[in-house]
Amino acid sequence: KAGVTQTPRYLIKTRGQQVTLSCSPISGHRSVSWYQQTPGQGLQFLFEYFSETQRNKGNFPGRFSGRQFSNSRSEMNVSTLELGDSALYLCASSFQDAGLEQYFGPGTRLTVT
Amino acid sequence: AQSVTQLGSHVSVSEGALVLLRCNYSSSVPPYLFWYVQYPNQGLQLLLKYTSAATLVKGINGFEAEFKKSETSFHLTKPSAHMSDAAEYFCAVSDRRGSQGNLIFGKGTKLSVKP
Repeated sequence: KAGVTQTPRYLIKTRGQQVTLSCSPISGHRSVSWYQQTPGQGLQFLFEYFSETQRNKGNFPGRFSGRQFSNSRSEMNVSTLELGDSALYLCASSFQDAGLEQYFGPGTRLTVT
Repeated sequence: AQSVTQLGSHVSVSEGALVLLRCNYSSSVPPYLFWYVQYPNQGLQLLLKYTSAATLVKGINGFEAEFKKSETSFHLTKPSAHMSDAAEYFCAVSDRRGSQGNLIFGKGTKLSVKP
């Protein structure tokens, strides 16, 4: 079974721009979660989507948004990028319950200059 | 609220020595606990999980962890370190409400293995 895939793997953007990251979950998994990883704050939960609906949300500003499609693929969008948004963005999928084990993709490394 | 504390941001061991990575948790409900490993420029790989069955949990690559409720701990061990074990390790607790939830991670422990 193919694992979680994320595209692109690396991205460089300028302050003020917006960015869209993509995640394809493991086949059959309906829950997709997004995490931000930075050296200072560690791994922080952004949001979770299940059956095209945002089911859970972390403590991030509204500039961070996401969506899920009917095939369970998910995208996250960050608008008006700030330098502090530079991070590794990890997507994880689980069959149904994101509070149980999750399977992570390789991440997208976003650098904001 | 659930939380996780990993003691020691860096741990260094010699090849063949015991690996012990410490994790303490705080949870208002019986916890689900996880250990993940992250190699450079990669995502997180699940090593093992505790979901209220056996308190001694065996994972991949020879790792195991013991759930101790009285000590609110879930330390990760491996009897004999290998060079390939050098990576960053994250302990996580599940923050679940009903059938939904997310993982709350510790800050991570970087394991170095000396030849």
